[in-house]
Amino acid sequence: SQELEQSPQSLIVQEGKNLTINCTSSKTLYGLYWYKQKYGEGLIFLMMLQKGGEEKSHEKITAKLDEKKQQSSLHITASQPSHAGIYLCGADVRASNYQLIWGAGTKLIIKP
Amino acid sequence: GAGVSQSPRYKVAKRGQDVALRCDPISGHVSLFWYQQALGQGPEFLTYFQNEAQLDKSGLPSDRFFAERPEGSVSTLKIQRTQQEDSAVYLCASSFQGSSYEQYFGPGTRLTVT
Repeated sequence: SQELEQSPQSLIVQEGKNLTINCTSSKTLYGLYWYKQKYGEGLIFLMMLQKGGEEKSHEKITAKLDEKKQQSSLHITASQPSHAGIYLCGADVRASNYQLIWGAGTKLIIKP
Repeated sequence: GAGVSQSPRYKVAKRGQDVALRCDPISGHVSLFWYQQALGQGPEFLTYFQNEAQLDKSGLPSDRFFAERPEGSVSTLKIQRTQQEDSAVYLCASSFQGSSYEQYFGPGTRLTVT
């Protein structure tokens, strides 16, 4: 959806390096959901952010929703091969009380 | 099982054939969603059920697509007279509440129409 832009589209990172993926909305974000997808598999829920300025961490992955609530970033520290996959953001922009709009995903490759 | 399951995982159909894709949501989950995901894209919403009621089918691309959830649990997505443009991964997701919060996805069914 052009309403939700993810950048970069793909990323190749040396193992051990840090990286950041961004998700930018043209509308106010009432909820932002980060998922990870491996090839041939479904989406795995990572984190949900709802409040401007909110930041959540899980292991080496940190996600933040900016104060103006139109952008979220996902930061991975000291990347590992297990982090490889496609990261997708889904957003609640109040199009309905159940529909999310989705970014196209960021493909992350970790070089050993 | 603990998660959402889908079957078959892979389906190859000849153009014009009918296919049926099954989704077993997490037990007790009220909401069920079907998405279509093209290669390199995010999921595209197809339809939404709350229990057995299909509350939104606005994302179904044509009248060849039909979904049901007769007993409020298992759901089936049927595609009649498949076309090459139907080739995609079909994802099913469920959530506990009648909202978009924290959807749990199945592994998907990869449909290839030849």
